[in-house]
Amino acid sequence: DGGITQSPKYLFRKEGQNVTLSCEQNLNHDAMYWYRQDPGQGLRLIYYSQIVNDFQKGDIAEGYSVSREKKESFPLTVTSAQKNPTAFYLCASVRDRAYEQYFGPGTRLTVT
Amino acid sequence: AQSVTQLDSQVPVFEEAPVELRCNYSSSVSVYLFWYVQYPNQGLQLLLKYLSGSTLVKGINGFEAEFNKSQTSFHLRKPSVHISDTAEYFCAVKNTGFQKLVFGTGTRLLVSP
Repeated sequence: DGGITQSPKYLFRKEGQNVTLSCEQNLNHDAMYWYRQDPGQGLRLIYYSQIVNDFQKGDIAEGYSVSREKKESFPLTVTSAQKNPTAFYLCASVRDRAYEQYFGPGTRLTVT
Repeated sequence: AQSVTQLDSQVPVFEEAPVELRCNYSSSVSVYLFWYVQYPNQGLQLLLKYLSGSTLVKGINGFEAEFNKSQTSFHLRKPSVHISDTAEYFCAVKNTGFQKLVFGTGTRLLVSP
């Protein structure tokens, strides 16, 4: 079965710690995305990558970092510089710009 | 810059009643339009999309949407809702030559018996 996996489903961290969220896809899609979702604000783009070893900042990249060393993987690191990291994080991928994005199940990060 | 407006943050409706969720967008170029559904603590699932052609688009679970270029709208409709349709619905738009999707803030559909 092809799809996008995100792990873990729930993640708890202490303030000041960096944390890495996993996103893996076996759809052979070139482009991958990270979104942050907060209640009442919809989805906001953090970073995206159109090809391996290349990525661009989205609308809210501050306090986040990514890497794209393999086509299948696009991990997101939430650094201690992110002021309000508690949120629901969604990863997505797309085959071509004309097609819809496929979403993973999400990771809910809670930082206390 | 593109933007998407979903004016209704919440829409309560009784089971088997019709529903319309409104979506308006702004863009100076040709666009693709999408509706996604999100159940609690899950990712987004595509309901339907408009890329070109017929302005009436049919999707999964009995939903449909109509693209109206003059009114820059893409409203989602269902003639008879079920309890299981209770979820959050997101409208999204992207320029045809661009990768980024822009999402609305979502509409929570609450279906009661």
